[in-house]
Parts: sequence; structure tokens; C-alpha cells
Amino acid sequence: KQEVTQIPAALSVPEGENLVLNCSFTDSAIYNLQWFRQDPGKGLTSLLLIQSSQREQTSGRLNASLDKSSGRSTLYIAASQPGDSATYLCAVPDSGGYQKVTFGTGTKLQVIP
Amino acid sequence: DTAVSQTPKYLVTQMGNDKSIKCEQNLGHDTMYWYKQDSKKFLKIMFSYNNKELIINETVPNRFSPKSPDKAHLNLHINSLELGDSAVYFCASSQTNGQGRGYGANVLTFGAGSRLTVL
Repeated sequence: KQEVTQIPAALSVPEGENLVLNCSFTDSAIYNLQWFRQDPGKGLTSLLLIQSSQREQTSGRLNASLDKSSGRSTLYIAASQPGDSATYLCAVPDSGGYQKVTFGTGTKLQVIP
Repeated sequence: DTAVSQTPKYLVTQMGNDKSIKCEQNLGHDTMYWYKQDSKKFLKIMFSYNNKELIINETVPNRFSPKSPDKAHLNLHINSLELGDSAVYFCASSQTNGQGRGYGANVLTFGAGSRLTVL
């Protein structure tokens, strides 16, 4: 059974800092890994999807890396802004092939102006 | 254009009542899901349908019954509501490689959520 852990659970940084969010998963036989952001009271917005054959994926100030063998992914946010404040979730499908996606517990980020 | 839309957004009801949440996607995806987010913000899958066929059914009380009239719709009906059913329910969709397996480069797209409060 896939288990996904995110560290830290919460993070508070001053505006302009670069930061790294971590995601660990127990079963490395995955198709891909997806990072989401969730704003309070809102749904989930997909940020990046890394396929199992990729090591990195970039979108603007965001860069996600994937190391399947060690069961880890990181989300790097450059030059953080107050608008980046949200909860960040990583999601990993189970290796059974069906799209039973397991979510991490999330990292709540606060960027202070 | 809303890709995955859920209704209602908020639902407040008494214990013991029966309620439904509807979901529709206009992305042409072949697979749809229901997720539950509890008070601790933990998201867990409940059901998944591929082309109207149930492919994932987690350990969910049988008071919860999903229905998929076509691949663009997945509704969730809940009977005899209990206090512990209070949560935010998210609908999602994705395109698979067939029969609900694997989803390659296609993202999982979520609706905005339906907040259910049982009094």
C-alpha cells in the first residue's frame, strides 16, 4: 500500500526566499507524481506532473524533481511571493496500474510580505 | 469554461437525511473519481469510474452510492447521513491509457469541492 509523507507540515518564510518542499513515497513503481496547490476553501490546482521517465519538470518559478529509486520528490519555489501562500500536496498513483491516487498530508506554506 | 463542476458547493443537512452531489466534466476524460477531504485536510479516494464502470471502491460505507450515467457525469448519493460524513467531497477526472489503467502525462483535474455539513 502506497504511503506518502510530506515534510515539513507547515512552513513560514519571508517574501523573496527560495524554498523546498519534500514528498516521500513508499512504493517506487509509479507512473508519475503530481504536485497540487490548494487555497483555503478551494479545490486543488495542478501545478506540475512528472512522468516516471522524467527527473525534472519546470513551470515558471516552480521546479519539481523526481527520484523514483529513493522514493522522493521535491518542489522548489524560487523567489517566493505572498500569493504562493497555500497548502501544497503531492499525489502518487498506486503501482497496481489503476488510478488510485494517494495524497500526501500536505505542506502549508505562508509567505510573509 | 469550468472543466470539472460540482453542485452544490455547500450542503447543510440533518442527520438521517439522504443527499446527492453531482459532478460533470467537459474534458472528454474517461475516468472520474470521488475524493473525501476530512477535517484534518487529508484527501482520500472513495470511488473511481472508467467509462461508467466502477473500478475503484475503497472501504466506504454502503450508504455511499456512486452513479455514472455516462462518462462525463459521476454523482454521489449518500443515505442516512451521519455526523462523521461532514467533509469536503471532491470530484476529479483524468484520461487513462484504457480501462482505468495508468495515466501517462495527463493530469488529474479536480472540481472546486462540495462542503457537506451534517448537523
